[in-house]
Amino acid sequence: NAGVMQNPRHLVRRRGQEARLRCSPMKGHSHVYWYRQLPEEGLKFMVYLQKENIIDESGMPKERFSAEFPKEGPSILRIQQVVRGDSAAYFCASSPGQLNEQFFGPGTRLTVL
Amino acid sequence: GQQVMQIPQYQHVQEGEDFTTYCNSSTTLSNIQWYKQRPGGHPVFLIQLVKSGEVKKQKRLTFQFGEAKKNSSLHITATQTTDVGTYFCRRTSYDKVIFGPGTSLSVIP
Repeated sequence: NAGVMQNPRHLVRRRGQEARLRCSPMKGHSHVYWYRQLPEEGLKFMVYLQKENIIDESGMPKERFSAEFPKEGPSILRIQQVVRGDSAAYFCASSPGQLNEQFFGPGTRLTVL
Repeated sequence: GQQVMQIPQYQHVQEGEDFTTYCNSSTTLSNIQWYKQRPGGHPVFLIQLVKSGEVKKQKRLTFQFGEAKKNSSLHITATQTTDVGTYFCRRTSYDKVIFGPGTSLSVIP
């Protein structure tokens, strides 16, 4: 059973461009979570999705950020018109249920020039 | 509210010394999970505690859940350089995702 996959592992964007981060959960997992982490800081929860539904997006900025988890295919975190402050590591995690352990992907390191 | 606090934020220890991090909540926890993140890596699940007063061990790591289920601790005996990283606790919930801010452990060889 392959682990949580994230791609790309590293992404460089110029200010104003769009960033698309992909996450394929573990097989059988219908719950996906996105986190942002700045260097030397903790995990900041962004959004929690369960197959086509957003359960909790309280940690996601209201503008420029969106997330989806379609019926088929990976979960996508989309950042429009990126700014330098968006530079961070973005982790995706999946679980089979809300109370189960979360399995984290390797992360996408986004750098905005 | 439902937030969890972790203390200390940072801990530097000499190799061979013991280390403890605490996870505290103002409200009762249904259960608690612990994760470890190595520098440059991603968080990895360590253990889940469910019962009041529960104690679980993994080699040199001892996890404890308080009697009132409002706090938890992770104790490492005789730290090694491989223990370096940040330790996060997570309170489980049906609709909220709540991780503690983490305790960053440095081990001086």
